[in-house]
Amino acid sequence: EAGVVQSPRYKIIEKKQPVAFWCNPISGHNTLYWYRQNLGQGPELLIRYENEEAVDDSQLPKDRFSAERLKGVDSTLKIQPAELGDSAVYLCASSIGGTGSGYTFGSGTRLTVV
Amino acid sequence: QKEVEQNSGPLSVPEGAIASLNCTYSDRGSQSFFWYRQYSGKSPELIMSIYSNGDKEDGRFTAQLNKASQYVSLLIRDSQPSDSATYLCAVLAGNNRKLIWGLGTSLAVNP
Repeated sequence: EAGVVQSPRYKIIEKKQPVAFWCNPISGHNTLYWYRQNLGQGPELLIRYENEEAVDDSQLPKDRFSAERLKGVDSTLKIQPAELGDSAVYLCASSIGGTGSGYTFGSGTRLTVV
Repeated sequence: QKEVEQNSGPLSVPEGAIASLNCTYSDRGSQSFFWYRQYSGKSPELIMSIYSNGDKEDGRFTAQLNKASQYVSLLIRDSQPSDSATYLCAVLAGNNRKLIWGLGTSLAVNP
């Protein structure tokens, strides 16, 4: 079984530029999460989808961040414009339901904004 | 008070010893508890989940849950250098199904 697939693995951009991350969850996992993790910190939830619906986006900085999950499968997370403070690892995870079966994470995208 | 608290470490143990990692949480309604291992530069990997009071064993790993005292712990027996990583405690909030994460405890197992 393929795991959660993310791309790109690394991204370096100049501040004020846009950037997008892509995630393909495990087949059959209806719940998809985008997390941000800074060095030495735990993951911080940005948005949670159940199928196509964003059920929790309270932590998403909506002035510059957007996400979509068309057809309830793949998802993209976009930042426009990027700021220096956005440098972090962006993790996608998926699970069957959101009731505590544990998540499977993708390999993450390490974003560096210069 | 943070919702999920862990000692940041580093916790250093000799090879073959028992490593004990602790986590406390504030939401009494929490029902699901997880331990993730994260190697440097890698993503978190689920290693244990526990839902009921008591112990749950899986190989060299034992998770312990005490809901009355609101703590969950992870014991690693016969620690190996390959166990050196950051261990993240995550608790599913009782009301909104959101995972609340601790900051992680760094474990170093010395050969």
